[in-house]
Amino acid sequence: QQQVKQSPQSLIVQKGGISIINCAYENTAFDYFPWYQQFPGKGPALLIAIRPDVSEKKEGRFTISFNKSAKQFSLHIMDSQPGDSATYFCAASRRGSTLGRLYFGRGTQLTVWP
Amino acid sequence: DTGVSQDPRHKITKRGQNVTFRCDPISEHNRLYWYRQTLGQGPEFLTYFQNEAQLEKSRLLSDRFSAERPKGSFSTLEIQRTEQGDSAMYLCASSPSEQYFGPGTRLTVT
Repeated sequence: QQQVKQSPQSLIVQKGGISIINCAYENTAFDYFPWYQQFPGKGPALLIAIRPDVSEKKEGRFTISFNKSAKQFSLHIMDSQPGDSATYFCAASRRGSTLGRLYFGRGTQLTVWP
Repeated sequence: DTGVSQDPRHKITKRGQNVTFRCDPISEHNRLYWYRQTLGQGPEFLTYFQNEAQLEKSRLLSDRFSAERPKGSFSTLEIQRTEQGDSAMYLCASSPSEQYFGPGTRLTVT
C-alpha cells in the first residue's frame, strides 16, 4: 500500500517554464513533508521540506504548497533549467515520533528542454 | 567531504553469496537509516538505528538481512544467500532530524 501517491510519473517542461509535481497522502499522523532530488547514480538530496502548520514554503526557485484539508502537497519549480532535469521524490514522515522513517512517492522524472 | 559515505559503490555477486555493505554517517548524527531502491521506485525503508540500538526493522528485511551499528558510528548491512531479487540500490541516510543520504551501493546479483 503506497502511503504517498505522486504524479505525474514523468514531466517535460520547456526551459524557463514552471514544473509542478503533486503528492497526496492518507495518514493524518504525517507531520513532515520533504522533497528530494535525485540524479542518476546518486543518492537522493534534500531539496526543501515543509511542516503542516504553514501552507507554503519558498526557497529560491523551489516552492512547496501544502493543503492540509485535502492532504495534498506540491512542488513548484519556477524558471525551470536544464540542470533541474532529475527525478524528484516527495516523502512524508511522523517527525513527532522517535522513528522518523520516510515514506516516499514513486518519483517524477523531470526533463527540462533547453 | 563530510557527507554520508557508503562502500562499496558497486557490488556484483553471484546468487547464493553473502555481501556486506558499510555506511559512515555524518559525524555526530545519532540516527541512521537503511533504505532499498529499485529501478523506477522511491526508496523503501529497511531499518533504523538510534545510536547503537536497532529500533525498527521493515517486513522487507527478511531473515537473510542483518544490520549492525556496533559503536553507534558506522553501520553494516549484510545480505546472506543473495537472490536475484536483492538486486537494488542500498541507501544509507543519517539524521539529527532531516535525513541526508549517501550515494548508495548498487548491488547486482547474477
